[in-house]
Amino acid sequence: NAGVMQNPRHLVRRRGQEARLRCSPMKGHSHVYWYRQLPEEGLKFMVYLQKENIIDESGMPKERFSAEFPKEGPSILRIQQVVRGDSAAYFCASSPNSDYIEEQYFGPGTRLTVT
Amino acid sequence: DQQVKQNSPSLSVQEGRISILNCDYTNSMFDYFLWYKKYPAEGPTFLISISSIKDKNEDGRFTVFLNKSAKHLSLHIVPSQPGDSAVYFCAASAQRTGTASKLTFGTGTRLQVTL
Repeated sequence: NAGVMQNPRHLVRRRGQEARLRCSPMKGHSHVYWYRQLPEEGLKFMVYLQKENIIDESGMPKERFSAEFPKEGPSILRIQQVVRGDSAAYFCASSPNSDYIEEQYFGPGTRLTVT
Repeated sequence: DQQVKQNSPSLSVQEGRISILNCDYTNSMFDYFLWYKKYPAEGPTFLISISSIKDKNEDGRFTVFLNKSAKHLSLHIVPSQPGDSAVYFCAASAQRTGTASKLTFGTGTRLQVTL
């Protein structure tokens, strides 16, 4: 029973480049969440998606950041024109399709370094 | 605005003794609480949760207590083991019937269990 998969695990980008982070939820899970953890801080919610729908993007920066969860394939978090402040660990989590809150299961994270 | 607070950044406990990790919250809409454990370079792992209709939930060595009037919860680990050494995050959610919801995390407490 594979868990949440994220790739790449480490990503280095120069300022101004684009970063694409991928997340494959656990089998049977249709809810995907993206969180960001800055050094020495807790995880901060960014966006919550279901297949082909953004449900809550209240934590997403207004510019340069976008997310999608297509009908087929992984969820993608895209950061355009990266800056040094984007350096962080980005975690994806998934939960089952449920009418009630369920535990969210996290992937190992992608560590983005902007040089 | 830190809605979930873990005021102790670190805690050291001897093996076999009780570890008590504390968490306070300010948002009265929160009604579901979770504890996650995180090792370096890994994603958070779900430990235990509690709904606001309960004041205690137990799972093996882990017990979570919720005091709604004080907006306080705690995680007790008895007996503590060296493998419990990790960062523990408290998280909260405002459950809305019919949909899953984002988690709001505290900043974490680093637990060190010594021999």
